[in-house]
Amino acid sequence: GESVGLHLPTLSVQEGDNSIINCAYSNSASDYFIWYKQESGKGPQFIIDIRSNMDKRQGQRVTVLLNKTVKHLSLQIAATQPGDSAVYFCAENWRTGGSYIPTFGRGTSLIVHP
Amino acid sequence: EPEVTQTPSHQVTQMGQEVILRCVPISNHLYFYWYRQILGQKVEFLVSFYNNEISEKSEIFDDQFSVERPDGSNFTLKIRSTKLEDSAMYFCASSELSGANQPQHFGDGTRLSIL
Repeated sequence: GESVGLHLPTLSVQEGDNSIINCAYSNSASDYFIWYKQESGKGPQFIIDIRSNMDKRQGQRVTVLLNKTVKHLSLQIAATQPGDSAVYFCAENWRTGGSYIPTFGRGTSLIVHP
Repeated sequence: EPEVTQTPSHQVTQMGQEVILRCVPISNHLYFYWYRQILGQKVEFLVSFYNNEISEKSEIFDDQFSVERPDGSNFTLKIRSTKLEDSAMYFCASSELSGANQPQHFGDGTRLSIL
């Protein structure tokens, strides 16, 4: 079946470094992708999204890159801060009938050392 | 900033019992969702709900599960005859609109423990 997966389960960085979290997806019908941040004891928090007709989108300190050729998604966090420590996971939405079904990856734990 | 609220934060239930998880979506949102996250695993879609009916449901959402919007503010997930494997975090989410490019806002979840 279709799946969304992550390449690195844990990423440790120093404060101030840039972080890159990767995600592979396999459903070619997916047309919308989202990155979420999940802190301990909290629900997923929307960070940034990108549609399949784009290859890059920038937010505040975050950039999402989409490579449809290799079905790869990445989240770049600039000047990583201790408050960025959390689990990050990507999700893809694919259309079924009249609705969209989100499929989530397992997540990467980002640890930021001060 | 408005947020999705879920109660209780932790529910402990005996196997075989029924449980109702409650959610208050963001007030102007029209689309509502339930997700499940078993410890250490992916967030899994259960069901989406719009205009007082189910829009989509996953294979997980079988006859054991039901959803309801009993009034103008609450959105509930009922699990009947609970099993040990129903133990998980259950997240409610809502979005203003449906469609591929609509971010969902999640609550902080209810941890369901089946004994």
